[in-house]
Amino acid sequence: DPKIIQKPKYLVAVTGSEKILICEQYLGHNAMYWYRQSAKKPLEFMFSYSYQKLMDNQTASSRFQPQSSKKNHLDLQITALKPDDSATYFCASSPRLGGRGAETLYFGSGTRLTVL
Amino acid sequence: QQKVQQSPESLIVPEGGMASLNCTSSDRNVDYFWWYRQHSGKSPKMLMSIFSNGEKEEGRFTVHLNKASLHTSLHIRDSQPSDSALYLCAASPNTGNYKYVFGAGTRLKVIA
Repeated sequence: DPKIIQKPKYLVAVTGSEKILICEQYLGHNAMYWYRQSAKKPLEFMFSYSYQKLMDNQTASSRFQPQSSKKNHLDLQITALKPDDSATYFCASSPRLGGRGAETLYFGSGTRLTVL
Repeated sequence: QQKVQQSPESLIVPEGGMASLNCTSSDRNVDYFWWYRQHSGKSPKMLMSIFSNGEKEEGRFTVHLNKASLHTSLHIRDSQPSDSALYLCAASPNTGNYKYVFGAGTRLKVIA
């Protein structure tokens, strides 16, 4: 029974289009994240949110916009898609953002995005 | 920018053998380390964490941490084919936004 739900599981898009990746977590966590993984790059941090507030953004492009409408939701909107955006996008969460007694990350099953 | 280096890139061990994986962080502020395991087509799942100098054992898995050198290692004894996976090391500092940075991973294959 997955506690972090990502939708869709697979997504095919054309260059220049826009897509939204959905993430909902039911672990009662207060911190959520987006990571990206491709064959060319290791698991790469994109964003972190704590109590629905953006805490850190490591994406160079404004084409990637996280959206948090509820505490347990963190969607990712990607505009003007490029073939280089093809990757698996993982949503993750932790009880809190960090601190003493550092928090373990729990990952969703991922959305595999292919941009043609 | 903080980097986490893992070695070797890939490793083949026979069933029942010992697998040893290494990880080093370049950030002196790093205080926490995790090992994640990712089976093909699946998401990473936390295997073990270590925050203090020394050793921690859980079943067939042992992790070591040397904070002075920011080096951690994972040892898997009596390796099984089901241990075949990508092993990711993650590090997080004890300051700032506690960003978790992952290494590129070690791909382990256990052959029967």
